[in-house]
Amino acid sequence: AQRVTQPEKLLSVFKGAPVELKCNYSYSGSPELFWYVQYSRQRLQLLLRHISRESIKGFTADLNKGETSFHLKKPFAQEEDSAMYYCALSGGDDKIIFGKGTRLHILP
Amino acid sequence: EPEVTQTPSHQVTQMGQEVILRCVPISNHLYFYWYRQILGQKVEFLVSFYNNEISEKSEIFDDQFSVERPDGSNFTLKIRSTKLEDSAMYFCASSQGGPNTEAFFGQGTRLTVV
Repeated sequence: AQRVTQPEKLLSVFKGAPVELKCNYSYSGSPELFWYVQYSRQRLQLLLRHISRESIKGFTADLNKGETSFHLKKPFAQEEDSAMYYCALSGGDDKIIFGKGTRLHILP
Repeated sequence: EPEVTQTPSHQVTQMGQEVILRCVPISNHLYFYWYRQILGQKVEFLVSFYNNEISEKSEIFDDQFSVERPDGSNFTLKIRSTKLEDSAMYFCASSQGGPNTEAFFGQGTRLTVV
């Protein structure tokens, strides 16, 4: 079964400190992994996907197939990073499965 | 920049009534989706639609639910006889090339069943 696990419901980090949002997945094949973000009063939008291997707004995520993880990282948190972050998986069928989400709160 | 638009933004309905949630996907997109998010819970997949038919659906998407693309631009979700537990935020999304490409989401419709 396809599953995405985000163990932290809320993560509070001081501005300037490193951020790591954890994501683990369960899938028997080779999935596509994504991070979506929802800022306050805005729509859900794609932040990054593992296949593109790019850094968006300072965030990176590496797919670790051995640990079945796709943690989202940023070395120095900024206040505008406060948002809801969703890890998501696509397994080749016509759907994207989302984790429960982690609310990132950046403290001044 | 093109966007997915959803109407209405908030719908209140009585239990047992039918509701239709409307979405206008991005015009050159081929894959369409409905998701829902019950308050405090995760975003859940309901259904995907491609080439004028349902390509995938979840166990949530039972006979009470149906989707339609009536006129080539709108993509609707109908709930035939609403239950209290259908109260949720419903998100429409579309993508150009299927779920492995970026999905663009609408702002959502908050459905409240009373």
